[in-house]
Amino acid sequence: QKEVEQDPGPLSVPEGAIVSLNCTYSNSAFQYFMWYRQYSRKGPELLMYTYSSGNKEDGRFTAQVDKSSKYISLFIRDSQPSDSATYLCAMSAGGSYIPTFGRGTSLIVHP
Amino acid sequence: GAVVSQHPSRVICKSGTSVKIECRSLDFQATTMFWYRQFPKQSLMLMATSNEGSKATYEQGVEKDKFLINHASLTLSTLTVTSAHPEDSSFYICSATSGQARYDTFGSGTRLTVV
Repeated sequence: QKEVEQDPGPLSVPEGAIVSLNCTYSNSAFQYFMWYRQYSRKGPELLMYTYSSGNKEDGRFTAQVDKSSKYISLFIRDSQPSDSATYLCAMSAGGSYIPTFGRGTSLIVHP
Repeated sequence: GAVVSQHPSRVICKSGTSVKIECRSLDFQATTMFWYRQFPKQSLMLMATSNEGSKATYEQGVEKDKFLINHASLTLSTLTVTSAHPEDSSFYICSATSGQARYDTFGSGTRLTVV
């Protein structure tokens, strides 16, 4: 079993939909949880960063962490075609630890 | 915000030749830079960690003689793929940090195709 599991998709939704992206993990030592957006042929861009359990909101994006279930989510409200990209989750045991990445979920938002 | 520039964005080379990829931090001093490799629809795999002025630390399974990393200054790290083969074709991405955080800014990536 991989340390971080993420469904590669693709996930196709209509414009305006609420998108839910998820990752599960097996390492209970993970404390820092990140979501990155990666456009085709580009490097990842950090979207959200959370520590431990709980929710964090930033505009249309909400990150949730449930450490008891070892499950993290990223919600995108009012999705736009420009949100079409691959979304990678990543996590680490500490801020100074190199993160472990999921394989990414390809999201397609069609007009 | 912090910006990391990576060059070239795309390179095609013949089998057996060497290719150099540059990673520059444009507006901050990067004490540590990381080099990743990403295959299609796969996650980022860390290849090595380089600290300015010292030898890079390679992850298990990464050939240090094949993937030469130099971090000669606080703003520049280079990855040289030596004697490239078609199986080295991949997307190479660097990231850089000026502090303790390891989740910082990524470069835009380099698509290497070895023919």
